[in-house]
Amino acid sequence: DTAVSQTPKYLVTQMGNDKSIKCEQNLGHDTMYWYKQDSKKFLKIMFSYNNKELIINETVPNRFSPKSPDKAHLNLHINSLELGDSAVYFCASSPILGGLAGVPYEQYFGPGTRLTVT
Amino acid sequence: QKEVEQNSGPLSVPEGAIASLNCTYSDRGSQSFFWYRQYSGKSPELIMFIYSNGDKEDGRFTAQLNKASQYVSLLIRDSQPSDSATYLCAVNIIVGSQGNLIFGKGTKLSVKP
Repeated sequence: DTAVSQTPKYLVTQMGNDKSIKCEQNLGHDTMYWYKQDSKKFLKIMFSYNNKELIINETVPNRFSPKSPDKAHLNLHINSLELGDSAVYFCASSPILGGLAGVPYEQYFGPGTRLTVT
Repeated sequence: QKEVEQNSGPLSVPEGAIASLNCTYSDRGSQSFFWYRQYSGKSPELIMFIYSNGDKEDGRFTAQLNKASQYVSLLIRDSQPSDSATYLCAVNIIVGSQGNLIFGKGTKLSVKP
């Protein structure tokens, strides 16, 4: 049984389109994240949600809008896709929000969604 | 700007040797440190975490932390070809009451049979 799942696995679309990526975790975790990994393999956080509430929104364009209908799901909607949005997008979850000093917490990653914008 | 630095490699070691992967971080207040392994085309997978100075061993893997030097490393003993992957160092950065993982760009390890 997959712990963190994402759909679709591959997404090819044209510039200007709107697309969504879905993420679900069955680990009972409170916190979920979206990461972007570019062609140079640099993994950078975009958003984090704790119990459906947005916690972190890094400098991500407004075209990206996360939505969390419940704490097991965190979807990513992207408007007006651009060439530079091409990347692998990873969803992740962790049991707690990592704000407690000295308390290690692990993040579990989904399989990733490879987005190609042409 | 909080940063995590890693040598991008590739680091090439022969099978059976010790692979040493290094990471430095800029935020002196960081408390928790993680090593993830990422095979090509796959998602990052947690190998180890460490939050106390010194060494932490798990099987063939040893994580080492030196907070004074802001340095964390991962040693892989008896390296196997299956260890060939990119290793990502991640540091828990706390801003206010919120924590966030900052990843390094990864070191690509190649273990030659």
